[in-house]
Amino acid sequence: AQSVTQLDSHVSVSEGTPVLLRCNYSSSYSPSLFWYVQHPNKGLQLLLKYTSAATLVKGINGFEAEFKKSETSFHLTKPSAHMSDAAEYFCVVRTSSGSARQLTFGSGTQLTVLP
Amino acid sequence: NAGVMQNPRHLVRRRGQEARLRCSPMKGHSHVYWYRQLPEEGLKFMVYLQKENIIDESGMPKERFSAEFPKEGPSILRIQQVVRGDSAAYFCASSLNREPQETQYFGPGTRLLVL
Repeated sequence: AQSVTQLDSHVSVSEGTPVLLRCNYSSSYSPSLFWYVQHPNKGLQLLLKYTSAATLVKGINGFEAEFKKSETSFHLTKPSAHMSDAAEYFCVVRTSSGSARQLTFGSGTQLTVLP
Repeated sequence: NAGVMQNPRHLVRRRGQEARLRCSPMKGHSHVYWYRQLPEEGLKFMVYLQKENIIDESGMPKERFSAEFPKEGPSILRIQQVVRGDSAAYFCASSLNREPQETQYFGPGTRLLVL
């Protein structure tokens, strides 16, 4: 079964500094991986997805993630944080069980951006 | 093109009452998914439906919970005889076609509070 582990439950950065949100996955084959963002009391917005094409995936709002099979990682990065980036971020893997359409979510990383 | 619509956005029920949550998928989408987010946790898959069919309900509690996606109208998640532990945010997602790697787009969620 597929799973994801988000290594940090909270990350704080200063505005204008780089963002790194870490995610490791577990899968018996090449997975489909996603990052979603959730702003307070809002729904989830897809930031980016990896589906076995290019290993460096560019998403919206300047975010990108690199799929590293050797490290089983899919870390999310952004060169320069904005105040509007403050939100909860979920690393997600599509599972192979059942209908192969279930998304399995990590426990989330709360990003705080300090002025 | 409107996104995934969910209503109500907030729902308060007393123990023993029924909760009915509605989800209208994006235009043209015929695949609907329900997820539950308990406080301080990531989302957990509940059920995957296509029009008039339940495809995968492996995440649904065995009792009190049911879902449908009729030929006409929104998808409904029904919780009978609610208990305090049902308090959570319930998110609906939809996707366009039958390919498993198709992106799921999420609605804003319904926040259920059971008193």
